[in-house]
Amino acid sequence: QVQLQESGPGLVKPSETLSLTCTVSGGSVSSGSYYWSWIRQPPGKGLEWIGYVYYTGSTNYNPSLKSRVTISVDTSKNQFSLKLSSVTAADTAVYYCARGSYFGGCFDFWGQGTLVTVSS
Amino acid sequence: EIVLTQSPGTLSLSPGERVSLSCRASQSASSSYLAWYQQKPGQAPRLLIYGASSRATGIPDRFSGSGSGTDFTLTISRLEPEDFAVYYCQQYGGSPLYTFGQGTKLEIK
Repeated sequence: QVQLQESGPGLVKPSETLSLTCTVSGGSVSSGSYYWSWIRQPPGKGLEWIGYVYYTGSTNYNPSLKSRVTISVDTSKNQFSLKLSSVTAADTAVYYCARGSYFGGCFDFWGQGTLVTVSS
Repeated sequence: EIVLTQSPGTLSLSPGERVSLSCRASQSASSSYLAWYQQKPGQAPRLLIYGASSRATGIPDRFSGSGSGTDFTLTISRLEPEDFAVYYCQQYGGSPLYTFGQGTKLEIK
């Protein structure tokens, strides 16, 4: 069974960079069948896809966040990471990492999520 | 951008009832890439349906999906107490590559 686990600071100051890591177990980020995504959910609101990384390092980002987002993969550690720069209170959300099916266009495994609050 | 609109926003129903949730796309979406998720408070979303009508692994057969083009439906044939949650539809293939509907909340009447 594939498991994903987010880790990183729960509190980030405005204008700083949010950094999170997702550790994958029970599966490999090097599998060519999956994209590895970050998705967020502001408190009480809906889901927003942030972007994905493929095992080759290629990426695709949500245009609304593209200028501030970097997603990378570390196959040696079986991890992938998110950096979101110049954060504001609007970036306060639960951040999920998820596995996206190359063929199905959906997310079949998710991490439990981690709340990141942007506040001074 | 393909916008997914879910209706209604909230539904109040009783266990044992049948329910159909709607997801309408602003432009034609590939049925191969339309999915449904269930989310309970404090939990991550769980994949229920992919490809508009295929159940994910371990999903009970009381859940079914249908539709094509711009209109998609998630049907729960007989509500169990554990089915009261928020349901999201999601599409792949537009810009941004993945978008979600705003969700429908199923609450116990």
